[in-house]
Amino acid sequence: GENVEQHPSTLSVQEGDSAVIKCTYSDSASNYFPWYKQELGKGPQLIIDIRSNVGEKKDQRIAVTLNKTAKHFSLHITETQPEDSAVYFCAASRTDSWGKLQFGAGTQVVVTP
Amino acid sequence: EPEVTQTPSHQVTQMGQEVILRCVPISNHLYFYWYRQILGQKVEFLVSFYNNEISEKSEIFDDQFSVERPDGSNFTLKIRSTKLEDSAMYFCANTNTHRGSSYEQYFGPGTRLTVT
Repeated sequence: GENVEQHPSTLSVQEGDSAVIKCTYSDSASNYFPWYKQELGKGPQLIIDIRSNVGEKKDQRIAVTLNKTAKHFSLHITETQPEDSAVYFCAASRTDSWGKLQFGAGTQVVVTP
Repeated sequence: EPEVTQTPSHQVTQMGQEVILRCVPISNHLYFYWYRQILGQKVEFLVSFYNNEISEKSEIFDDQFSVERPDGSNFTLKIRSTKLEDSAMYFCANTNTHRGSSYEQYFGPGTRLTVT
């Protein structure tokens, strides 16, 4: 089955700096890669996703890149703000599954003013 | 913006008791999921549900677990005889899109289950 590895487990950045979180996946049939943000006591919130026919996607300060050959994808947050502090999870899914998401272990991002 | 809701927010139960966790999905969504997250660990898939039947389930989802959508709105997860290791946060998720298309899943706030 699919195995998703996520690094780093914790990330501290100064406000205004960029944050990068990396994930690798094992199943070459995976073709959908969402990123979720989880704040304390809340459910995961979808912040951006990318499909395997696209190499990069951007939404304001957030961008995701996908390298299918290397089977890795990354989340980039620019101009970080204190409200970006949360746990971020990457996930992978494949077309012939019923949307089952396999999650990475999560990255605790702390943005210090 | 429509939201997924879950009740209760926190459930404390004794080992061996049955619990039912409830979810009210976004109204036009057709695909439903349960995930769980043991404290400090990754979110794990339990089961997916479409057209009133289970479409896929994980090894975690054994005979003690069941799901149903009894009234066409609520989506429930039942654990027949809870074990200590069932203590976790349980998330309901849903999507309104078809397999082979997009899969944006929207998660509820979760139910924290504590088994004592």
